[in-house]
Amino acid sequence: AQTVTQSQPEMSVQEAETVTLSCTYDTSENNYYLFWYKQPPSRQMILVIRQEAYKQQNATENRFSVNFQKAAKSFSLKISDSQLGDTAMYFCAFGPWVAQKLVFGQGTRLTINP
Amino acid sequence: DAGVTQSPTHLIKTRGQHVTLRCSPISGHKSVSWYQQVLGQGPQFIFQYYEKEERGRGNFPDRFSARQFPNYSSELNVNALLLGDSALYLCASSLIAGGDQPQHFGDGTRLSIL
Repeated sequence: AQTVTQSQPEMSVQEAETVTLSCTYDTSENNYYLFWYKQPPSRQMILVIRQEAYKQQNATENRFSVNFQKAAKSFSLKISDSQLGDTAMYFCAFGPWVAQKLVFGQGTRLTINP
Repeated sequence: DAGVTQSPTHLIKTRGQHVTLRCSPISGHKSVSWYQQVLGQGPQFIFQYYEKEERGRGNFPDRFSARQFPNYSSELNVNALLLGDSALYLCASSLIAGGDQPQHFGDGTRLSIL
């Protein structure tokens, strides 16, 4: 069974700073997907970024980028030029290659301070 | 286009009762998944349905059941409610089944058991 671990329960940074959220996972599969989701107080889970395990190139989406280390089973999220609207719970998730059974970590509560 | 809609937004039940939660996927999406998110934790996968057939089931007791209708909407049913069933229930939809398909989440139904 797959497991996802987020070791930082809470983080806090100043607006415009860069912050990195950590995630490690465990799986015996070779092909899979990794995701970062954002959940603001409004409760809706919003997809931030996605990485295919077969791709060596790290995914980027505007201010969001990942550092994917397949051998180390590590998948961190970097947020550059952080904004107040980035304040939310962030969940790392593992997705199997053929199914949609996402396995989520415990989450990191990120607060961006003005 | 409307996103994933879930109803009701929240409800309160007592132990032993039965509850039905409803989900309407994004128009054109044929796959629906259900997740349970207990307070302070990441979501846990309950079911996936695609083309009205169950495609995946998480580690939940038989008190949990679901179905998908011809219009691709879905219901999650929980019988003999326990205090531990108190959680946010999230529905997610995608165009088709498959790990490469991004899942779009609704705002969830907050279920409280007294």
